[in-house]
Formats: sequence, structure tokens, C-alpha cells
Amino acid sequence: QSALTQPRSVSGSPGQSVTISCTGTSSDVGYYNYVSWYQQHPGKAPKLIIFDVSGRPSGVPDRFSGSQSGNTASLTISGLQAEDEADYYCCSYAGSYTFLFGGGTKLTVL
Amino acid sequence: QLQLQESGPGLVKPSETLSLTCTVSGGSISSSSYYWGWVRQPPGKGLEWIGNIYYSGSTYYNPSLKSRVTISVDTSKNHFSLRLNSVTAADTAVYYCARIVSSSFLHYAMDVWGQGTTVTVSS
Repeated sequence: QSALTQPRSVSGSPGQSVTISCTGTSSDVGYYNYVSWYQQHPGKAPKLIIFDVSGRPSGVPDRFSGSQSGNTASLTISGLQAEDEADYYCCSYAGSYTFLFGGGTKLTVL
Repeated sequence: QLQLQESGPGLVKPSETLSLTCTVSGGSISSSSYYWGWVRQPPGKGLEWIGNIYYSGSTYYNPSLKSRVTISVDTSKNHFSLRLNSVTAADTAVYYCARIVSSSFLHYAMDVWGQGTTVTVSS
């Protein structure tokens, strides 16, 4: 098992949109439609913001959206706000109740 | 509201065993829709899945850690535990426990997390 691949950093100005990619393989991301995304502010625990590729838990703003094409999942944050500045991690179910995380992406709001 | 709380020593000596417990409050650990897992984060690095357990005792581990990890559950105390043997400095991390949902609506996502506990491996 290898970690999923995410860009180390992305940035955008308030009001803009950014997209974070998460690339796996045909054995994890590409096989199961069970990619989740987590937001982590410094010193805090991760928070679930997307499940099952594009599902949004109650309370998560609809500015956060997810999608998938083949072995790559993506998280898009539209209408960037200052409080969106955080680390973002993707995670894929990999079968037999095992999981793979991405390396994480630092989002900077300029 | 479900809450998870990690507890255990913050300092462990090299070659010894790291032991942590996650206490579940506000809900039952014996629910059929959930698994219970451990995730760690070394300083300045990303998240790493360690393993999961079901209330029945079935366990699933990260292959890279499998030889050193044991996760157990005590349904009477509503908690689950992590043991990591033969630790080195590379095991220094914040350790999180999390609930993993497996339902018809939400599949295999970690929807509730503990606050995390820092474990340092040092003599």
C-alpha cells in the first residue's frame, strides 16, 4: 500500500475557487467510490468534510464539493474564505476495512 | 453527542510498548454501523491509518505496522485500546482515535475524532 498523492500546497484569494487532487490506483480510489476528505486546522483534530466522493456531512458548507474521475478524486472549495486556510487530507477505502491517506495539502488563502 | 477521548502515557522509552485507550462517551461502542480506529500524525507530517476494530473484536491493521500493533476492545467499559510494540523515535506522533462509519448512507469515513494525544518516544 502506498499513500495517495496530493499536491503539497495550493493557494487562492478570497472569493476564488481552488481544487485539490488526490491520485490513487485502480485498487483503491479507482475501485471503490469511498473517498473522504478531511480538513485540519493547526493543533486540531481532522474534521470530515466530504464522504463517498461527493457527500457532505450536515453542517459542512456547500462551498465544499467532491468529485472523482478514474483513479483521481478532487476536492473543490469555492468562494474561498480566510477560515478555509488549513491542511486537507484525502482518504480512500482500500478493501478489507483498510484505509489509505494522502500526504496532505496545505491551503493558503492569500 | 458522541465523544472520543484518548488517554495514556505521553512519554515512552525506545524498545518499549506504547499503550493508549480511547473512551467512547455519548454512545455505544457496540453499534453495528461503526468500526473504531486509530490514526497517527508525526510532527509536521501527514495522517497515517494504524488500524480498526469492530465491537466483536475483528481487527484490521496497516500492513506496515501489523507486526507491532494490537488493537483491542472492551465493550463493558465502552473503550478500545492500542498497543504498539518495540517503539522507536519514528513512532513519535499525535495519536487520534476515530469512529468509522459503515452504513447504507455513509461508507467508510471517519466522522468523529478524539482530540488527539501526543506520544514522544525518548529515553
